[in-house]
Amino acid sequence: KQEVTQIPAALSVPEGENLVLNCSFTDSAIYNLQWFRQDPGKGLTSLLLIQSSQREQTSGRLNASLDKSSGRSTLYIAASQPGDSATYLCAVRALVQKLVFGQGTRLTINP
Amino acid sequence: EAGVAQSPRYKIIEKRQSVAFWCNPISGHATLYWYQQILGQGPKLLIQFQNNGVVDDSQLPKDRFSAERLKGVDSTLKIQPAKLEDSAVYLCASSPLAPGNYGYTFGSGTRLTVV
Repeated sequence: KQEVTQIPAALSVPEGENLVLNCSFTDSAIYNLQWFRQDPGKGLTSLLLIQSSQREQTSGRLNASLDKSSGRSTLYIAASQPGDSATYLCAVRALVQKLVFGQGTRLTINP
Repeated sequence: EAGVAQSPRYKIIEKRQSVAFWCNPISGHATLYWYQQILGQGPKLLIQFQNNGVVDDSQLPKDRFSAERLKGVDSTLKIQPAKLEDSAVYLCASSPLAPGNYGYTFGSGTRLTVV
């Protein structure tokens, strides 16, 4: 059974810092890994999608890496801004198209 | 391209009442998912449809939850009767049929409060 863990559960940093969010998964047989952002009371917004054959994906100030063999992914946020405050969710897509989520990291960027 | 549409956005009901949620996926997406997200947790898959057939409903509490996807497009999720622990956000997502090449697109969710 695939299990996804995100560390830390919560993170608070001053504006302008670079930061890393971690995601680990137990079964390396995945199709892809997706990072989402969730604002309070809202749905999920897709940030980055990494295929199992890829090592990283970049979008603006965001960079996600994938090490499938070790079951790890990281989301790097450069030059953080207060508008980045949200919950970040990592999810892996298994062979049967089922998306399994971590519990999320609640990020607060302090002005 | 239009996104995944869900309604209602919010619903408050008393325990033992029934409630229904509606989802319209992205046009052409064969696979539709319903997720339950309890406050402070990651979303948990309730049911997965491929066209109008059920692929996975192993975590659906079938004594009170039901879902259907008529004609392989829209879907409804029903809870009857509701319990206090059903208070959560119910998220609908869709994806194309080809596995692995696409991500999921989520709707805005329905926040259910059972009192």
